[in-house]
Amino acid sequence: GDSVTQMEGPVTLSEEAFLTINCTYTATGYPSLFWYVQYPGEGLQLLLKATKADDKGSNKGFEATYRKETTSFHLEKGSVQVSDSAVYFCALKDRNSGGSNYKLTFGKGTLLTVNP
Amino acid sequence: DGGITQSPKYLFRKEGQNVTLSCEQNLNHDAMYWYRQDPGQGLRLIYYSQIVNDFQKGDIAEGYSVSREKKESFPLTVTSAQKNPTAFYLCASSQPRTEMFKETQYFGPGTRLLVL
Repeated sequence: GDSVTQMEGPVTLSEEAFLTINCTYTATGYPSLFWYVQYPGEGLQLLLKATKADDKGSNKGFEATYRKETTSFHLEKGSVQVSDSAVYFCALKDRNSGGSNYKLTFGKGTLLTVNP
Repeated sequence: DGGITQSPKYLFRKEGQNVTLSCEQNLNHDAMYWYRQDPGQGLRLIYYSQIVNDFQKGDIAEGYSVSREKKESFPLTVTSAQKNPTAFYLCASSQPRTEMFKETQYFGPGTRLLVL
């Protein structure tokens, strides 16, 4: 079945540090890939997505590139801010023909804390 | 503003009691979903509905029930059969596309259910 593996947190950084959160996946088909962010006590917000190999999703200074050869979709940001403190989820949506392409499969999430 | 609303924000359940979580969307989306989030875990799909008057079980449907009588509403009932209901519940919606793997799911703010 499909699965998503994220680097375990928590990740603690100082403001303006470089961020990488690793995400790798296993899928039966050729999935779309997503990063969602969850601020404390809130629901999930879509951060960025990519639907095919070599696509780069970007938003609010965050970027992730769909790497089919390494089955990865690592999230990066060049200079984090305190306001980026949140839980980040990597997810995939498969395009297999078995009728389950409605489903988002999530990683366990990575807690990021940015200190001033 | 278009969006998804969930109520209440916090809900307390007594032993043997059924409780219903509300989810309403004004995005005119056909598809709606319920997910459960436990600490340190990714989201798991409870039920989903692709169209009014139709819904399907997700990965962890036991102890839950849903209805979809209106396009904008998808309430979730946590029954007494659900022995471990304490969790954060998230509702989502999407607009089905021909290429379903490209669909983006949008999430509500969540309801936290606690057992007394």
